[in-house]
Amino acid sequence: EVQLVESGGGLVQPGGSLRLSCAASGFAVSNNYMNWVRQAPGKGLEWVSVIYSGETTYYADSVKGRFTISRDNSKNTVYLQMNSLKTGDTALYYCARGWGSEWGQGTLVTVSS
Amino acid sequence: DIQMTQSPSSLSASVGDRVTITCRASQGIKNDLGWFQQKPGEAPKRLIYAASSLQSGVPSRFSGSGSGTEFTLTISSLQPEDFATYYCLQYSTYIPWTFGQGTKVEIK
Repeated sequence: EVQLVESGGGLVQPGGSLRLSCAASGFAVSNNYMNWVRQAPGKGLEWVSVIYSGETTYYADSVKGRFTISRDNSKNTVYLQMNSLKTGDTALYYCARGWGSEWGQGTLVTVSS
Repeated sequence: DIQMTQSPSSLSASVGDRVTITCRASQGIKNDLGWFQQKPGEAPKRLIYAASSLQSGVPSRFSGSGSGTEFTLTISSLQPEDFATYYCLQYSTYIPWTFGQGTKVEIK
């Protein structure tokens, strides 16, 4: 059974950093596109970043230069390093496999002073 | 960036109604489109991929159509468990991938 479990969210001050993790089971992250998608409270879905099965990565303009997606194939885990956080980054962050075939339950990031 | 214009933003319907939701892309994306259902407090769930392919386990009352710039999600006979918010997502070669604004389907 495919499962995605996010962790690492929490409360952080503006300008701070967090690293989110997405632990996968039932498939190999090395062979799949892996995405991060976020949802601000009461708002719609916003795509954040993707890492391809090679090392190619892409980012939304809103996070480019501040967020970095990576993966550790030995741990079957995908990460999102978030630096220079802004209040507008407050959201529930989901990881998703491929073109959204499976999703985790999300981890909440709150950026506030 | 490709803009996805989803309509309507909300609708009220009764059990048994036929419901249609539309997404228009600002430029052609072939059939690189998916439809997702999200219920309150839950993660999104994919219903349709490649514009018209039904995700395994999804009831056949859901169907998708379209290619290029115009896409449709149809629920042939609305069921009580279908009241939710629906999103389209374009995942073409044009980065960034973009979601529609969402359609909230409410009980009439």
